[in-house]
Amino acid sequence: GAGVSQSPSNKVTEKGKDVELRCDPISGHTALYWYRQSLGQGLEFLIYFQGNSAPDKSGLPSDRFSAERTGGSVSTLTIQRTQQEDSAVYLCASSFDSLTAERYGYTFGSGTRLTVV
Amino acid sequence: GQQLNQSPQSMFIQEGEDVSMNCTSSSIFNTWLWYKQDPGEGPVLLIALYKAGELTSNGRLTAQFGITRKDSFLNISASIPSDVGIYFCAGQTRGSTLGRLYFGRGTQLTVWP
Repeated sequence: GAGVSQSPSNKVTEKGKDVELRCDPISGHTALYWYRQSLGQGLEFLIYFQGNSAPDKSGLPSDRFSAERTGGSVSTLTIQRTQQEDSAVYLCASSFDSLTAERYGYTFGSGTRLTVV
Repeated sequence: GQQLNQSPQSMFIQEGEDVSMNCTSSSIFNTWLWYKQDPGEGPVLLIALYKAGELTSNGRLTAQFGITRKDSFLNISASIPSDVGIYFCAGQTRGSTLGRLYFGRGTQLTVWP
């Protein structure tokens, strides 16, 4: 697609429920990144995909968080047994490849605003 | 992980004023990037810097890559209401995972007409 697409744009869920957040990167972009932005906070790195593999998933805050990418394209971030502290905007970004990312940065989606009640 | 210290955390200025914000790191960075985030949107790249001492402009925006390679600043001249948003510094540092960028906490800019 023309840009990075994320869905849903907003999600309200009850504490304890599982949620899936979807990211559709720019067509042809092999590198994909997930970040979390909490109110008043900066961008917290979660995980990085190159193709379908994740060379860096050091930012996932707990084992309740997981992500996968299939076909080198769409990625899904799953949060199990959601907690109120999971409430945040989850941003996805992509770049042509990792070298391009280092030179020209990423293109971000508009994010999914997750609210856990 | 790498720590990027971005300041100030927030700024409240009058239209027409100049703005300056900066970012410092404990590590040497190979690339410095500046992003702007409008409400409800993802960050958008404003300026990219690649060499120590480099000074780059993009319209009313000017950014510099510090000589020590551990800092960068962004200046906005003659601010206008649409400059409102959150500005992030970001960079890539030697030894980090290829392709991974580190971000500052952001500077929230408010411009009063």
